[in-house]
Amino acid sequence: DSGVTQTPKHLITATGQRVTLRCSPRSGDLSVYWYQQSLDQGLQFLIQYYNGEERAKGNILERFSAQQFPDLHSELNLSSLELGDSALYFCASSVGWDLGNTIYFGEGSWLTVV
Amino acid sequence: QQPVQSPQAVILREGEDAVINCSSSKALYSVHWYRQKHGEAPVFLMILLKGGEQKGHEKISASFNEKKQQSSLYLTASQLSYSGTYFCGTGSGAGTASKLTFGTGTRLQVTL
Repeated sequence: DSGVTQTPKHLITATGQRVTLRCSPRSGDLSVYWYQQSLDQGLQFLIQYYNGEERAKGNILERFSAQQFPDLHSELNLSSLELGDSALYFCASSVGWDLGNTIYFGEGSWLTVV
Repeated sequence: QQPVQSPQAVILREGEDAVINCSSSKALYSVHWYRQKHGEAPVFLMILLKGGEQKGHEKISASFNEKKQQSSLYLTASQLSYSGTYFCGTGSGAGTASKLTFGTGTRLQVTL
């Protein structure tokens, strides 16, 4: 158990809908990362927050947005869902914001869009 | 840009050794290694930093050649539990704009 908690673990929704994935980082970690993993793409970096502020952005679609709250939990919002958005979404956390820190992954949220 | 891992897949008998390589076209600040079993979270194995610092598990060893922008993960005396997909993640900068970019993975299967 990495200490990173993600909910829900599984989610099935229809195209065009909107979902929110939630993440609680490890105790003491200020940085939160979101990654998408689909069968043919591997682990794709979406976005990073550190202590409430956006720190780095990857290939995150405009339909997706994220935020980190004062209590450091984070939410990833996915809207106007398409079949291709079906994937495993991982949240990860680390103490600091730079890449010298160990990054720990949560168990992921399986999203299926039908 | 995504780092390239080799080999793409390898099958070992229990007790054999393996080396997994990770190569980047960009100057690297850090290399992170993870093992993932199907449908589960990637598990941290090791981080290697520019300058030689390493953090990770005692039974895992790895190298980082900064000049060649390459890293290798050494798995010795493999066990069945080593099976999974190994990913390297590379970071090209320590600053704000840095992000971890993962390779496509190396599938390792250890058999009896």
